[in-house]
Amino acid sequence: ETGVTQTPRHLVMGMTNKKSLKCEQHLGHNAMYWYKQSAKKPLELMFVYNFKEQTENNSVPSRFSPECPNSSHLFLHLHTLQPEDSALYLCASSHAGLAGFTGELFFGEGSRLTVL
Amino acid sequence: AQSVTQPDIHITVSEGASLELRCNYSYGATPYLFWYVQSPGQGLQLLLKYFSGDTLVQGIKGFEAEFKRSQSSFNLRKPSVHWSDAAEYFCAIPQGAQKLVFGQGTRLTINP
Repeated sequence: ETGVTQTPRHLVMGMTNKKSLKCEQHLGHNAMYWYKQSAKKPLELMFVYNFKEQTENNSVPSRFSPECPNSSHLFLHLHTLQPEDSALYLCASSHAGLAGFTGELFFGEGSRLTVL
Repeated sequence: AQSVTQPDIHITVSEGASLELRCNYSYGATPYLFWYVQSPGQGLQLLLKYFSGDTLVQGIKGFEAEFKRSQSSFNLRKPSVHWSDAAEYFCAIPQGAQKLVFGQGTRLTINP
């Protein structure tokens, strides 16, 4: 496989469920990102990881819990979500560091989340 | 903080017509600027980027963009659109060393 792969592509969950989104990149990048895309809002950056360390948390509620076990994998653990959390969650990767960041993000196809 | 604004939420053009999508940026110095495209059901893909130098930048799929400092703009153009260009287009600007901030997006519809 090549590129950035996200699973599952679609997820429906109740407000009391616990689920996880998975992202895997095969590009040799060292930075990974979670973005949220809602119908009426611009793309919102949620988290950034550089070399497995979290470097950005954009005031995301604690019901979203990211995990980055290595530079190739990124998870978003979900628990007690609200209906307004329904959105497309996009994972991306890039080269890391000030010298290496060219602004080019490689995106997965997204995980469409519906919270009932 | 650096930001970009896309004034047009939705644009409709006929197949074969020319296209211009607007992007205005807010930044004191010369910015890096990007255009991304998102086809239905897909993630985003980089179309082109501007770092410095020539203000007319060529990208993939026949797109180009022109950086105009005097107008704080980085508009995306294509001389003749194809039905496959129907998508959402995002202008973006870096914020800090590792963060990319996107505009609201412009949805492009192509009439046959």
